[in-house]
Amino acid sequence: SAVISQKPSRDICQRGTSLTIQCQVDSQVTMMFWYRQQPGQSLTLIATANQGSEATYESGFVIDKFPISRPNLTFSTLTVSNMSPEDSSIYLCSVTRDRDKQAFFGQGTRLTVV
Amino acid sequence: LAKTTQPISMDSYEGQEVNITCSHNNIATNDYITWYQQFPSQGPRFIIQGYKTKVTNEVASLFIPADRKSSTLSLPRVSLSDTAVYYCLADSSASKIIFGSGTRLSIRP
Repeated sequence: SAVISQKPSRDICQRGTSLTIQCQVDSQVTMMFWYRQQPGQSLTLIATANQGSEATYESGFVIDKFPISRPNLTFSTLTVSNMSPEDSSIYLCSVTRDRDKQAFFGQGTRLTVV
Repeated sequence: LAKTTQPISMDSYEGQEVNITCSHNNIATNDYITWYQQFPSQGPRFIIQGYKTKVTNEVASLFIPADRKSSTLSLPRVSLSDTAVYYCLADSSASKIIFGSGTRLSIRP
């Protein structure tokens, strides 16, 4: 399996500030994704992190609000910009490899905006 | 990616067998059926995947009828630790996963 380390695991932030979440994988992966999960809800895909090019965002998510980097095959960051209380959620990193038939998920980052 | 429908919630007791059924009427020929389990404060984890008939592993069994329009995840002799949300997916790709609502399973002593 792929081991994913997400940092920070949780944070409390002031509105108007930004937080960058890191996702580190223990092996090279083909695809990396970022999800958001609001309390009691299912996961919503934010974007696909593409190595060497701009991320591909899902409907309702934009680069200015959620800039994403993926400098190599094992690392990605998601920034939540200009935060408001509505951004309070769990943010999860997910990866897949060509040889696997499943996706692997990090433990998530629990963000609270006050 | 086929739309899936599964019960919002289910309750059971320790030691019972739990069957969660998922409907995927518009499943495509190259779609696989995959189930993920999510415990509170954790990311989802893969449980089982199948294409047709029956698949069994150390965690669960997956039953898929010939028409593939539905599937049933079977958890034998559940314990309190099986309390989780279970997601059913019908897709040809293991990568970009679009999650449905899932089934919230509660196990009681």
